Amino acid sequence: AQSVAQPEDQVNVAEGNPLTVKCTYSVSGNPYLFWYVQYPNRGLQFLLKYITGDNLVKGSYGFEAEFNKSQTSFHLKKPSALVSDSALYFCAVRDMPGNTGKLIFGQGTTLQVKP
Amino acid sequence: DVKVTQSSRYLVKRTGEKVFLECVQDMDHENMFWYRQDPGLGLRLIYFSYDVKMKEKGDIPEGYSVSREKKERFSLILESASTNQTSMYLCASSSAGAYYEQYFGPGTRLTVT
Repeated sequence: AQSVAQPEDQVNVAEGNPLTVKCTYSVSGNPYLFWYVQYPNRGLQFLLKYITGDNLVKGSYGFEAEFNKSQTSFHLKKPSALVSDSALYFCAVRDMPGNTGKLIFGQGTTLQVKP
Repeated sequence: DVKVTQSSRYLVKRTGEKVFLECVQDMDHENMFWYRQDPGLGLRLIYFSYDVKMKEKGDIPEGYSVSREKKERFSLILESASTNQTSMYLCASSSAGAYYEQYFGPGTRLTVT
């Protein structure tokens, strides 16, 4: 069965420092991976996705993610964190059968960026 | 920009009431989804629709039903609301196929008393 895990409930970083939000997955077949962000009292916003090709994917708001097949990971990164990046982040993987568009979401990681 | 709207941001209902949550998307998407979001549990899929009048159960369909009479509209129905259905409900839509991201509405926070 497909699954995705976000091992950290919360990540704390200082403004200006690099940030990493971790995601690992377990799938049969090729993984299609997604990151979403949720600001307080809002719906989810799409950040980036990996379907195929370059392992480093660039997305919105300066975020990027690195696909690592051997470690089955898709960590979200940003070189310099902003206080406004504080939000809830979700990793997701496509569910099987793979043509339905359904996603399986991780439990979410709260990112807190302190001034 | 893709826009997904939900009929209410906040809703308070009594136990036993029938509750309708409406979702409308304006991008001609084939797929529409209803999730509930609870702290520590992430998003859980309630129902999924891939075409008008077509639906598929998700992970937690019990106590819910859905209706999709028009392509742009997907309704979630709580036949008899219970307190354990107090939650944030999120609607999403996407193009058909596995490559496409989902676009989410702002959510409806439902409280059942």
